[in-house]
Amino acid sequence: RKEVEQDPGPFNVPEGATVAFNCTYSNSASQSFFWYRQDCRKEPKLLMSVYSSGNEDGRFTAQLNRASQYISLLIRDSKLSDSATYLCVVNMLNGGSQGNLIFGKGTKLSVKP
Amino acid sequence: SAVISQKPSRDICQRGTSLTIQCQVDSQVTMMFWYRQQPGQSLTLIATANQGSEATYESGFVIDKFPISRPNLTFSTLTVSNMSPEDSSIYLCSVGPGSGGYTFGSGTRLTVV
Repeated sequence: RKEVEQDPGPFNVPEGATVAFNCTYSNSASQSFFWYRQDCRKEPKLLMSVYSSGNEDGRFTAQLNRASQYISLLIRDSKLSDSATYLCVVNMLNGGSQGNLIFGKGTKLSVKP
Repeated sequence: SAVISQKPSRDICQRGTSLTIQCQVDSQVTMMFWYRQQPGQSLTLIATANQGSEATYESGFVIDKFPISRPNLTFSTLTVSNMSPEDSSIYLCSVGPGSGGYTFGSGTRLTVV
């Protein structure tokens, strides 16, 4: 079983739509969780961290279910500028070396006018 | 968060040759990290570059193929040696975690012909 799995998409949605991405991880000892955004031919950039209690940043909501080893990202009122690949990232330890970071392959989102 | 300048941004190289990629950080950092992102794949950590000591390589990566230098706390290079078409990929350096999460350089898109 792959360590971090995501639906590769692409998700093609109209502007204004709500879209949800899912991610599962295999190591129950994983400690911290993130969603990164990677635009075409660009480097990944942090979108948001994911906390056990769930967290929201504007139109973006992230949730974590440790029992199911499942992370989600919800985007409301999609904008054209949301078109990108969304990477699920899991760290086996809090802080410290990136040697424990596991990246998903990413889910591609395309928002159409 | 740190700002990373990575170069070259892209290159096309002949098989059998070597390419050195540079990353300059605008602040001192203890560890720098080098990743590879093959087409359609997730980011894979190549090695951790520590100042004043040998780099630490992940499984599947060796120093002879990917020699790394870390002469000071703001700079590192990764060399891709004796290149083959299978080395065609995006190579990224990274630092963190910091206040902005893990920060990545803009990447080097390498094509080996």
